[in-house]
Amino acid sequence: QIALRESGPTLVRPTETLTLTCTFSGFSLRKNGVAVSWIRQSPGRALEWLALVPGSGAKRYNEVLQTRLAISKDTAKNEVVLTVTNVDPADTATYYCAHSTTRPTDAFDFWGLGIRVTVSS
Amino acid sequence: SYVLTQPPSVSLAPGKTARITCAGNKIGSTTVHWYQQKPGQAPTLIMSYDSVRPSGIPERFSGSNSGNMATLTISRVEAGDQADYFCHVWDFKSDQEVFGGGTTLTVL
Repeated sequence: QIALRESGPTLVRPTETLTLTCTFSGFSLRKNGVAVSWIRQSPGRALEWLALVPGSGAKRYNEVLQTRLAISKDTAKNEVVLTVTNVDPADTATYYCAHSTTRPTDAFDFWGLGIRVTVSS
Repeated sequence: SYVLTQPPSVSLAPGKTARITCAGNKIGSTTVHWYQQKPGQAPTLIMSYDSVRPSGIPERFSGSNSGNMATLTISRVEAGDQADYFCHVWDFKSDQEVFGGGTTLTVL
């Protein structure tokens, strides 16, 4: 059974770096063909895909935010980490991690519960 | 960048058929996924590859995709179907995952 869980700070100050961790079970990122993405949802409800790390192959990033994002994996710990640099109140959102295959056309079939992050001084 | 447009809201009485649309340029040439999100919960996948229902999704839910419009159809709508619904595609030109703005389904 695939499960994912997000963790990290719920309040960060503007200009700081946000670091979020996705801990997962039921699959391994040592295997080809699987991937984990980060997706966020602003209080206005729109979903926004941020980044994807595959078991093997290239990472992919949101083209608008890519200069501020970094995604990495720790296969031994079954963790995926997302960092967002120089945060702004516009980065206030619920952040989700989600499982998919590495086929770009594939769906996000399992999601974590999400973590709500507020950017405020 | 590729844009998906959904109506902000759809309202109808129980037992009716809801059609939630997702408009995009030549969207019929790609595959569309749909997610349901109830208040305070994470999105869940309810339709993949235009019309494939994941395990556990009732047959009342169906999907289609052609031309510039994809449609999620919910037959015999129930109070429990009240939720936000989002469409999702992969834009091959930009290699970006794109979501529609979401549609709130209200069962009157």
